[in-house]
Amino acid sequence: NAGVMQNPRHLVRRRGQEARLRCSPMKGHSHVYWYRQLPEEGLKFMVYLQKENIIDESGMPKERFSAEFPKEGPSILRIQQVVRGDSAAYFCASSPRRGQGTDTQYFGPGTRLTVL
Amino acid sequence: QKEVEQDPGPLSVPEGAIVSLNCTYSNSAFQYFMWYRQYSRKGPELLMYTYSSGNKEDGRFTAQVDKSSKYISLFIRDSQPSDSATYLCAMSGVETSYDKVIFGPGTSLSVIP
Repeated sequence: NAGVMQNPRHLVRRRGQEARLRCSPMKGHSHVYWYRQLPEEGLKFMVYLQKENIIDESGMPKERFSAEFPKEGPSILRIQQVVRGDSAAYFCASSPRRGQGTDTQYFGPGTRLTVL
Repeated sequence: QKEVEQDPGPLSVPEGAIVSLNCTYSNSAFQYFMWYRQYSRKGPELLMYTYSSGNKEDGRFTAQVDKSSKYISLFIRDSQPSDSATYLCAMSGVETSYDKVIFGPGTSLSVIP
């Protein structure tokens, strides 16, 4: 039973390029969450998606960031025109139902984005 | 005041010591409390979760929740070098239509052989 998969594990982009981060949830999970983690900081919530729906994007920056979770395929976090401040580890988590404490979120290994 | 506060450490203890990790929070609506362990350059993994106040034990790990004080703890007995990691507390409660999980910043723990 494969866990949450994220790719790429490491991504290097130059300022102004686009970054695309992919997340495949655990089998049977239809809820996906994206978090950003900066050095010495905790996980910051970005967005919560169900299939074809954005449920909560209150943690997403207003510009350049977008997320989707199509009916088929992985969830995508897209960052347009990256800047150095976007360098961070981006984690995806999935859960089988809405994120209540007993339906725990399971995390992927993360994508480490470096912007040169 | 941050919603969840946690001493970032680093905390360094000798092998075999009892470790106490703590978090405080401000939102009394939180009902579910979790501890995640994160090894360097890996994703967080769930260690324990508890509902409301009380204690929960799992092997060498004990989680305690005191809702009246808005304080949660994770105790690690007979600590091992393999316990060296960052420990994140997390909590959730009824909020709008789903329970957003809020994470603390994490405490870095080193267990010295």
